Amino acid sequence: SQQGEEDPQALSIQEGENATMNCSYKTSINNLQWYRQNSGRGLVHLILIRSNEREKHSGRLRVTLDTSKKSSSLLITASRAADTASYFCATHGNKLVFGAGTILRVKS
Amino acid sequence: DTAVSQTPKYLVTQMGNDKSIKCEQNLGHDTMYWYKQDSKKFLKIMFSYNNKELIINETVPNRFSPKSPDKAHLNLHINSLELGDSAVYFCASSQEEGGNSPLHFGNGTRLTVT
Repeated sequence: SQQGEEDPQALSIQEGENATMNCSYKTSINNLQWYRQNSGRGLVHLILIRSNEREKHSGRLRVTLDTSKKSSSLLITASRAADTASYFCATHGNKLVFGAGTILRVKS
Repeated sequence: DTAVSQTPKYLVTQMGNDKSIKCEQNLGHDTMYWYKQDSKKFLKIMFSYNNKELIINETVPNRFSPKSPDKAHLNLHINSLELGDSAVYFCASSQEEGGNSPLHFGNGTRLTVT
């Protein structure tokens, strides 16, 4: 299926550490998007990376895309307690399909 | 100003009832969506509208009927509610259709059917 699968399912780190989340998918895509969801809130868009791009940055966020391996990673550097949330990748083939997410907990 | 707003935030109702969830966006987007998030946080698209026209209708029971009076509004009406309908429902909008541009989500409506 097109659906992205995030890995790990859950991640717990100390404030200041880096957090890396991975997303794998099975079919060809036009773009891949990362979203954050805080508890009890809607999803917030973080980064969109197109299939012809390999890396994008936004503040403390770095996203890579390897279309040959059908995988993407989201790196959050110098994590903060406020980064505690669920992170979802969404793959756009003929429609946008979300993975099941990674729960990130940043301990202060 | 809230970009995508949906009401109510919580909805508790009994099986068999009919209920509606309203959604409005002030971003000027042409495309709006309804997503369902289950208890395991899995997010699945239900419907997509572009400029008031239905674009995507996933395998959703016909008890669910979206209505778009104008391109800024997409409401969701649910008939004969069942226990399995309990979930969080999210409205979203985007500038371009189908995933070519980022989605902007509302804060969700938590539906509990008893």
